[in-house]
Amino acid sequence: NAGVTQTPKFRVLKTGQSMTLLCAQDMNHEYMYWYRQDPGMGLRLIHYSVGEGTTAKGEVPDGYNVSRLKKQNFLLGLESAAPSQTSVYFCASSASSSYNSPLHFGNGTRLTVT
Amino acid sequence: RKEVEQDPGPFNVPEGATVAFNCTYSNSASQSFFWYRQDCRKEPKLLMSVYSSGNEDGRFTAQLNRASQYISLLIRDSKLSDSATYLCVVNMYRSNFGNEKLTFGTGTRLTIIP
Repeated sequence: NAGVTQTPKFRVLKTGQSMTLLCAQDMNHEYMYWYRQDPGMGLRLIHYSVGEGTTAKGEVPDGYNVSRLKKQNFLLGLESAAPSQTSVYFCASSASSSYNSPLHFGNGTRLTVT
Repeated sequence: RKEVEQDPGPFNVPEGATVAFNCTYSNSASQSFFWYRQDCRKEPKLLMSVYSSGNEDGRFTAQLNRASQYISLLIRDSKLSDSATYLCVVNMYRSNFGNEKLTFGTGTRLTIIP
């Protein structure tokens, strides 16, 4: 039981390049989330999904797009990377949106944009 | 005022000691409260939820003070393995639903010294 798996673990991009981060969960969770974590700031929600085929904007969605074509996968895309997108990205999932349905996080992706 | 505020620390505490830290939140309508633990360069993991009456899980005690709008975490008989960053997480929503409404604090770094 792998839980939540993120790929890649590390990536260095040049400004303007694009990339896709993949998140996969094997817990049959309905809800999936993408967060970014920056020094001196709490985790901030980028986008989230309440089920297959749905996506919604979080707190900091600009510069990112997402897709949830399959229930188990949630993709985060950067179309034209900027240095401000240097961060650690965490994917998470939860069975429901209830307070007693905790978030399960992936191991994170460390992205550097030069 | 930040929505969720924590003392960043670091707290350097000798093994076996008791340590406590607080987290304040700005929205009096908040309903759900949690402590997550994040080890260095790892993903956050749920430590415990915080209930209105306070709750205990082994050496860990969490308390909620709605009047003063803070939650606390007490760790007794601290172990070396308790060294981590502790994230305060609050659902800034007038409901017990809405994981997408979770607001993360910046974390309090704890180091247990042998």
